[in-house]
Amino acid sequence: QKEVEQDPGPLSVPEGAIVSLNCTYSNSAFQYFMWYRQYSRKGPELLMYTYSSGNKEDGRFTAQVDKSSKYISLFIRDSQPSDSATYLCAMSERSGNTGKLIFGQGTTLQVKP
Amino acid sequence: DVKVTQSSRYLVKRTGEKVFLECVQDMDHENMFWYRQDPGLGLRLIYFSYDVKMKEKGDIPEGYSVSREKKERFSLILESASTNQTSMYLCASSFPQNTDTQYFGPGTRLTVL
Repeated sequence: QKEVEQDPGPLSVPEGAIVSLNCTYSNSAFQYFMWYRQYSRKGPELLMYTYSSGNKEDGRFTAQVDKSSKYISLFIRDSQPSDSATYLCAMSERSGNTGKLIFGQGTTLQVKP
Repeated sequence: DVKVTQSSRYLVKRTGEKVFLECVQDMDHENMFWYRQDPGLGLRLIYFSYDVKMKEKGDIPEGYSVSREKKERFSLILESASTNQTSMYLCASSFPQNTDTQYFGPGTRLTVL
């Protein structure tokens, strides 16, 4: 079993839809949770960063962490064609030099105009 | 803007060849990373370095080596390329106190024939 599981999709939605992207994990020591976005032919870039359980909102994006269920989500409201990308969840036990990111497989999202 | 550049976008090599992948960052980051990205497997850490001439093995170091002679440059070396090393290779960098925020290059798609 992988430490981090992510549905690879692809996920196709119409413009304006609410999108939910999810990851589950098995390591209860994970405390730092991230979402990276990767456009085609580009490297990933950090989109959202959350420490421990709870919600974090940034514009149309909301990151949610439920440590009791070992489940994290990224919600995109009013999705736009420019949101079409691969979304990778990532997590770590600790930050700093001793921390190591564990990535999910990535979910490919297509938002159709 | 943070910039991480990789020497080639596309590379085709033959089995048994020695391959060098170069990465340069301009943010004075101490930490640098090499990942490979494969469909269904996500990003997997090959090696990382937290200082000049320092290196640490990641999750899949077999068949690879690295070199960091200068702070801004981190090289990945495939001593004798094999077909199972055909992949997308991503370089990243970060500050040591915040390894969760990594800045990625655009990637090198390596094909080994």
